[in-house]
Amino acid sequence: KNQVEQSPQSLIILEGKNCTLQCNYTVSPFSNLRWYKQDTGRGPVSLTIMTFSENTKSNGRYTATLDADTKQSSLHITASQLSDSASYICVVSGYNFNKFYFGSGTKLNVKP
Amino acid sequence: DVKVTQSSRYLVKRTGEKVFLECVQDMDHENMFWYRQDPGLGLRLIYFSYDVKMKEKGDIPEGYSVSREKKERFSLILESASTNQTSMYLCASSSFDASPTEAFFGQGTRLTVV
Repeated sequence: KNQVEQSPQSLIILEGKNCTLQCNYTVSPFSNLRWYKQDTGRGPVSLTIMTFSENTKSNGRYTATLDADTKQSSLHITASQLSDSASYICVVSGYNFNKFYFGSGTKLNVKP
Repeated sequence: DVKVTQSSRYLVKRTGEKVFLECVQDMDHENMFWYRQDPGLGLRLIYFSYDVKMKEKGDIPEGYSVSREKKERFSLILESASTNQTSMYLCASSSFDASPTEAFFGQGTRLTVV
């Protein structure tokens, strides 16, 4: 069964600290993995994309990693800011372009 | 800039009403999707469409129907709204040819059924 599991479900950190969010998937065959950021009451917006051959990709303070052998990805946020408070959703695509597999998200709360 | 626009940010409807949620995309995408998002459950696919007048059931189609008369517009219909359909509804679109694929989302419609 194609599944995407995220952990932790929620996370509270202090402003300026780093954090790492995890995503494990069983989707096969695998095409790509995206991390989306969803602000409260808004639609998700893509942060990074990882394809099969990529191990690490950065987008400013966000760094995503992918281990295609163990089917694990992580999103590392450096020097967190209050504006990072949001839900982060891991989305995996197979080769069926009509199908996206969603994790249930990690809700991050950055406190001053 | 790509854009997926949902007709309403917030809606309050009464039980038994027929509800229309509209979604328009300006990217000439073939694929369009309707999801609902509930706390702890993530996004669940209600229906998707890969072409005009074509539709496929997703994981939770019961109580919903859809319409796609034009490529840019995908409508979700709640035939008789019930309180358990109170949720956040997200529309998305994607290109069949794009590689890697990406789903572009609208801003969401928060529906409350009372």
